[in-house]
Amino acid sequence: EAQVTQNPRYLITVTGKKLTVTCSQNMNHEYMSWYRQDPGLGLRQIYYSMNVEVTDKGDVPEGYKVSRKEKRNFPLILESPSPNQTSLYFCASSLRYPASGVNNEQFFGPGTRLTVL
Amino acid sequence: KQEVTQIPAALSVPEGENLVLNCSFTDSAIYNLQWFRQDPGKGLTSLLLIQSSQREQTSGRLNASLDKSSGRSTLYIAASQPGDSATYLCAVRPNTGNQFYFGTGTSLTVIP
Repeated sequence: EAQVTQNPRYLITVTGKKLTVTCSQNMNHEYMSWYRQDPGLGLRQIYYSMNVEVTDKGDVPEGYKVSRKEKRNFPLILESPSPNQTSLYFCASSLRYPASGVNNEQFFGPGTRLTVL
Repeated sequence: KQEVTQIPAALSVPEGENLVLNCSFTDSAIYNLQWFRQDPGKGLTSLLLIQSSQREQTSGRLNASLDKSSGRSTLYIAASQPGDSATYLCAVRPNTGNQFYFGTGTSLTVIP
């Protein structure tokens, strides 16, 4: 089954304790991305990756790191989490962009609800 | 920077009604537009993807239209059902750059 998986699904942690949220896709997609979703603000892009070893900042990258060492995995790293990073996080993937004639819709993972105390 | 707006923020309709959800964007230079459904506390499920060269896409009771020149897309839901209750989001992929831009969504409640 084609899917994007995230782990963990729920996480409660304390300020300053480094954490990693994993994301994996089995569709051989080049493009992967992380979003956070906050009430009233919608989904905002944190980082994205066009392919292995190619990453770039989205609209809200501060306080986050990512890496793309393998095509299928795109972990999100919070080196020193703070309470303002409490949010619902989504990973997504799609075929390469731009790609004429290609259906490059985004597929989303189930989300990770993070609480930083 | 692209800005995406969805109005209204919330909508409540009786079962069986046809309804239209709106999505507007500020820059017409888009590559595609995608509609999603999100159930409370859940992930996003893709409903329809419209490429910039298309004017509409249909899937079952759903029809999405795209008017790039006016910066608008609509999602038409026919014969609404209580199971359609969810938040509907639209996302725009610009022609240039590699980011996506989401609206804040319309929360739909279909009353039995």
